[in-house]
Amino acid sequence: DADVTQTPRNRITKTGKRIMLECSQTKGHDRMYWYRQDPGLGLRLIYYSFDVKDINKGEISDGYSVSRQAQAKFSLSLESAIPNQTALYFCATSGTGGNTIYFGEGSWLTVV
Amino acid sequence: RKEVEQDPGPFNVPEGATVAFNCTYSNSASQSFFWYRQDCRKEPKLLMSVYSSGNEDGRFTAQLNRASQYISLLIRDSKLSDSATYLCVVKLGTNAGKSTFGDGTTLTVKP
Repeated sequence: DADVTQTPRNRITKTGKRIMLECSQTKGHDRMYWYRQDPGLGLRLIYYSFDVKDINKGEISDGYSVSRQAQAKFSLSLESAIPNQTALYFCATSGTGGNTIYFGEGSWLTVV
Repeated sequence: RKEVEQDPGPFNVPEGATVAFNCTYSNSASQSFFWYRQDCRKEPKLLMSVYSSGNEDGRFTAQLNRASQYISLLIRDSKLSDSATYLCVVKLGTNAGKSTFGDGTTLTVKP
């Protein structure tokens, strides 16, 4: 089983709909992240959390929100999805030293 | 200017070739450096950290040049299985909030 699990793996949704991407990890890490990847643009950080009570905006947080429900769970929400949020989304974790980042398998989101 | 910039690629090389990728970073306070590998439509995975003295892992060698603010990755004796996108990653420090990823360089190794 994967150490970092994302659900759903694929989703097509309509403009204006609310969508939640969920992430859980079994690595026991405190730090969790949500990244977005678009073709040719690399990985961009949406939000990150150092522990359950810590939430920080990344470089592209507009239009997104997150919830850290427990050490092992970090969810990403699109309150009102728009087509330019169509992308591949990765959840990731790292330990306190934060050097190695472990990614989930990704969630493909298409907004039509 | 982007915080982390990589050779645009793509690199198409024959098996057995030696290929090198460069990555430049803009923040001179950056402390930690890494190369990640990403296969098509898969998640990135750590390939190797980059140490000040340079480091080698089999056919892969990573170098850091702090004065010129760049890191490099050298792949010797390329294999078909090396075909992937290689991402340069830079952090300000061990406890820094985030890692900054380059856009990646795509390598295709051909028979």
